[in-house]
Amino acid sequence: KQEVTQIPAALSVPEGENLVLNCSFTDSAIYNLQWFRQDPGKGLTSLLLIQSSQREQTSGRLNASLDKSSGRSTLYIAASQPGDSATYLCAMVDGSARQLTFGSGTQLTVLP
Amino acid sequence: DGGITQSPKYLFRKEGQNVTLSCEQNLNHDAMYWYRQDPGQGLRLIYYSQIVNDFQKGDIAEGYSVSREKKESFPLTVTSAQKNPTAFYLCASRLKGGGNQPQHFGDGTRLSIL
Repeated sequence: KQEVTQIPAALSVPEGENLVLNCSFTDSAIYNLQWFRQDPGKGLTSLLLIQSSQREQTSGRLNASLDKSSGRSTLYIAASQPGDSATYLCAMVDGSARQLTFGSGTQLTVLP
Repeated sequence: DGGITQSPKYLFRKEGQNVTLSCEQNLNHDAMYWYRQDPGQGLRLIYYSQIVNDFQKGDIAEGYSVSREKKESFPLTVTSAQKNPTAFYLCASRLKGGGNQPQHFGDGTRLSIL
């Protein structure tokens, strides 16, 4: 069974700092990996999707990388802002079931 | 605006009662999904449907049931057999095209026991 792990569970940083969120997965036969943002009491917003043939994707201040051989993905947030405060979840799609398996998330707080 | 609408936002269930959570999408998406989220945890798949009149069990289907009579609608019933139903329930949808289409989520329904 696939497992997705996100460490740390919570992170606080001062405004303006660049930061990296980590995601590790056990299935090297990954189809794609997705990063989502969840605000309190809300649904998930898709941020970035990296296909297995890609190494990274960028959207604005966000950059996500994928290293299948080590079973890791990172989400880099540049020049963090208080509005970036949320829970960030990563989820992988494996090559066979084609369903999302989620990590438990990293709760980010950006302090003004 | 296109999107996914879940209702109600909050729902309370009495012992022995079945309750139904609504999920409607106007994105013309083919596949729809139901997830359960417990505090501090990721999402777990309950049921999913790739086409109308067809659906499959996810990892935690016991105590739940679904139907897919229309493309736009995928209601979830939490039955009395689900002994620990208190959770945040999220509905999602996506276009066909394999796994490389991102899933879009509704704003969730929070279910509690009275």
